[in-house]
Amino acid sequence: DAKTTQPTSMDCAEGRAANLPCNHSTISGNEYVYWYRQIHSQGPQYIIHGLKNNETNEMASLIITEDRKSSTLILPHATLRDTAVYYCIATLENYQLIWGAGTKLIIKP
Amino acid sequence: EAGVAQSPRYKIIEKRQSVAFWCNPISGHATLYWYQQILGQGPKLLIQFQNNGVVDDSQLPKDRFSAERLKGVDSTLKIQPAKLEDSAVYLCASSLEGGSGQFFGPGTRLTVL
Repeated sequence: DAKTTQPTSMDCAEGRAANLPCNHSTISGNEYVYWYRQIHSQGPQYIIHGLKNNETNEMASLIITEDRKSSTLILPHATLRDTAVYYCIATLENYQLIWGAGTKLIIKP
Repeated sequence: EAGVAQSPRYKIIEKRQSVAFWCNPISGHATLYWYQQILGQGPKLLIQFQNNGVVDDSQLPKDRFSAERLKGVDSTLKIQPAKLEDSAVYLCASSLEGGSGQFFGPGTRLTVL
């Protein structure tokens, strides 16, 4: 699996867009980028995933650069409930997930 | 749609005792995973089942950990005997075959004294 690099922590004001970066410079052509988050004392929650094209769902948008070496998860209007650890994982579809330490996102009122 | 169910939510045991965790995945999900999550770290895969067969158990400490998924639905994870370093949250997840992501249960927090 490709290794991913994420900032340790980030802050964002409530109501603003939260942009979480992820570097995956060694990603292979058939590896997807997955995003999960883990709210305190809960199991991880799937957010979104993509291969090449940008993706959007009801939770977030995923922007993948053309060379696929990095991506950004966008939470368009962050709320206090979005405070969590966000994990970016690059892996084959339906393959095991190898988790790093993630980014601790704190939404401030 | 019901999510992944796990029980118990919390368990406290003494070292060298045995413990078992139970997981009921989302209906129709063929793949089931058990993870161990130590405080401050991301989850670590212990074992992956496809229906009732083991796909990957390379990181399962087989001298003390065992898991089964009889009939390809529910699964149990057992630790016998437990060590202090087994204190962690044990997460169960499931996914559709060819599905888009893994769905996690709330986890079981194990404390070994």
